[in-house]
Amino acid sequence: GAGVSQSPSNKVTEKGKDVELRCDPISGHTALYWYRQSLGQGLEFLIYFQGNSAPDKSGLPSDRFSAERTGGSVSTLTIQRTQQEDSAVYLCASSPPSGGAKTQYFGPGTRLTVL
Amino acid sequence: GQNIDQPTEMTATEGAIVQINCTYQTSGFNGLFWYQQHAGEAPTFLSYNVLDGLEEKGRFSSFLSRSKGYSYLLLKELQMKDSASYLCAVRDTGGFKTIFGAGTRLFVKA
Repeated sequence: GAGVSQSPSNKVTEKGKDVELRCDPISGHTALYWYRQSLGQGLEFLIYFQGNSAPDKSGLPSDRFSAERTGGSVSTLTIQRTQQEDSAVYLCASSPPSGGAKTQYFGPGTRLTVL
Repeated sequence: GQNIDQPTEMTATEGAIVQINCTYQTSGFNGLFWYQQHAGEAPTFLSYNVLDGLEEKGRFSSFLSRSKGYSYLLLKELQMKDSASYLCAVRDTGGFKTIFGAGTRLFVKA
C-alpha cells in the first residue's frame, strides 16, 4: 500500500515568508508526528496528533510554528515569518492504532531552505 | 530532562560484528526503538524493546536494560549496505511522544 507522502519535496523561500508543509499519512493510521532534522543531526520532535485527542505541541520551537490535522488524516505544518535557522528537513511519520510497538513510518521529508 | 546519548561515529569492517550503544535519561519510558537512516533518506524501523533482554531479528539484535537506562544494537556479518546512521529513540510513558538521539554514523569498510 501507499506509504507516508509529503509535499513539497523541496522548498526554497526567503526570510520572513510563510511556508506550509503537507503530510498525507498511511490510511488508517491514527497517530501522526512531525520532526525536524538539521544537517547531520538527529530528529527533533515538534508535535504529534493522536486520533481526536488534543495534540502534544511541546516540541514546537516558537509560536511561529503551528500544525493542524484535518479530518484525522492530512496534516499541515505552517511556519510563519521564516528564519534562516528554520532550514532543515521536516519529516512526518504515522503509526497504526493497534499493536504494541506502534512503529512510526516516515515520509520522505520536505527539505526547507530559507535564504 | 530528556537525554539520549550514543556515539557520533563508528567504523567497522565488512563481515565483522559491531555494537552501537545507547544510554538514556528520560522522564518516562514506554519502549525503545532503533531506526536505520541512509544518507538523504527517511528513517526505517529496525527494532523495538520494552522489556529487558535481547531481541534478535536476523543479522540485527537489540538489547535493553531498563534499570541501567541502556540499550545496544548489534549488527552481525556486516555488509557495505549497512553503512548508515542508526538512531536510538525512547517513547514517553502514557503517550506516543518519542525522543530521538542524535544518531551514530556507521561506516563499513572493505
